[in-house]
Amino acid sequence: SYELTQPPSVSVSPGQTARITCSGDALPKQYAYWYQQKPGQAPVLVIYKDSERPSGIPERFSGSSSGTTVTLTISGVQAEDEADYYCQSADSSGTFVVFGGGTKLTVL
Amino acid sequence: QVQLQESGPGLVKPSQTLSLTCTVSGGSISSGSYYWSWIRQPAGKGLEWIGRIYTSGSTNYNPSLKSRVTISVDTSKNQFSLKLSSVTAADTAVYYCARTQHSGSYYSDYWGQGTLVTVSS
Repeated sequence: SYELTQPPSVSVSPGQTARITCSGDALPKQYAYWYQQKPGQAPVLVIYKDSERPSGIPERFSGSSSGTTVTLTISGVQAEDEADYYCQSADSSGTFVVFGGGTKLTVL
Repeated sequence: QVQLQESGPGLVKPSQTLSLTCTVSGGSISSGSYYWSWIRQPAGKGLEWIGRIYTSGSTNYNPSLKSRVTISVDTSKNQFSLKLSSVTAADTAVYYCARTQHSGSYYSDYWGQGTLVTVSS
């Protein structure tokens, strides 16, 4: 079955830039989406179609894509950004949704 | 503003069928080109896509769960539902319902708050 691979954890100090990667063989063909999930809450969409930002999401959140890897970048990280982040895409047919394993962002 | 709310038993016995309903408010489940999805998350683990339905009744399921999953929609009640049969302890999780769009690929822009379902005798 198709898998998306994320690092389990990323740590940054406040004000620095956090980069979270997600790798998958079908990513050159399928868009990626990113969700932020804080403890006890439902996921929130922060990036769609690789690099688009939904309304209400701060400009410090951005996304990019290169080959089989997509990256979520959080510039000027704030304490409130501490959360789990999940990438999501689809298999090569575009039919079946797949989530990455999640990355815990720790703000030191 | 669309809102989704999951409801159903919080405790299910092993080998029985888990049944959940998602009630959509703030808009008609039939309006727009939206799909309606179920996603689950075991405690301390990641998200797992279960499946989705279009208001026409067309469905797609996670291949790993397909033999046990049924998703249906009731447009008259603005609800869609999940049934998962032959459950085991591995099906214990928080279950989320979500509105799903297809723009480039499928993604969920509105989520319910989630409901914990425990499988135990």
